[in-house]
Amino acid sequence: DIQMTQSPSTLSASVGDRVTITCRASQSVDIWLAWYQQMPGKAPNLLIYRASHLASGVPSRFSGSGSGTEFTLTISSLQPDDFATYYCQQYLSNWYTFGQGTKVEIK
Amino acid sequence: EVQLLESGGGLVQPGGSLRLSCAASGFTFRDEAMSWVRQAPGKGLEWVSRVSGSSSYTYYTDSVKGRFTTSRDNTKNTLDLQMSSLRAEDTAVYYCVKGGDGPGVFDHWGQGTLVTVSS
Repeated sequence: DIQMTQSPSTLSASVGDRVTITCRASQSVDIWLAWYQQMPGKAPNLLIYRASHLASGVPSRFSGSGSGTEFTLTISSLQPDDFATYYCQQYLSNWYTFGQGTKVEIK
Repeated sequence: EVQLLESGGGLVQPGGSLRLSCAASGFTFRDEAMSWVRQAPGKGLEWVSRVSGSSSYTYYTDSVKGRFTTSRDNTKNTLDLQMSSLRAEDTAVYYCVKGGDGPGVFDHWGQGTLVTVSS
C-alpha cells in the first residue's frame, strides 16, 4: 500500500495567518492526490483534487500544489471557519489511502 | 442536490454481522463508483471498499477482505455494506461516499452511521 504522511500533526495559527500543510507519499502518486477538510462531528468535505484543482464552492484562499511524492495545501489567510482537521488522500492505486490528518488550532 | 443517507448502524457483539445501507439521490447513480470510508472514534479516515458503477469490480482494504462485501442496486439507487465476523477494531463511523473526478475523488459524503462492536 502507498503510505501517506502529513506534517505537522497539529498546527497552531491565528486568523489571517498563511498556513501550509505538507503531505508525502511513500511512492509517486503523480498528481492523483486530494485534500479534505473535516469539522468536528461532521463528514469530510472535498477541497482539492488532482493535487491543485479547487473543488466546486471552495474558497480561493485554499490552494494545492505538488506532484510525485510531495504535496502542499496552503491557506493564504486563515479564517475562523478554517479551524479544522485536514487530510490528504492518494488515489493513484485502487487501494486508496489517507494521511493521518493535520489539526489546525487557534493560537 | 446530491444526498447520501446511511442507515443500519448500531451495537453488535464481536463475531456478529451487520448490514449498512446508503440511499442515494440527486445524481445518476449507475454512472458513479461508490465507496465506504470509516473513521474510528478520535482517529483518522480509512477507505474501506469501492464498487464500480456497473458492479463489475470491487476493491477492499486488506483488514476487511473476506469479511465485508460491498454491493449496489442501481434500480433502487442503494449501496450496501455487509459486514461479518466483526471485531472491536471495526468500531467506527461509516460514511457512504460518491466518486467525483474519477472514482477516487470523494466529492460527496453521507452523514455517517456509527457501528459499535462490543460485548
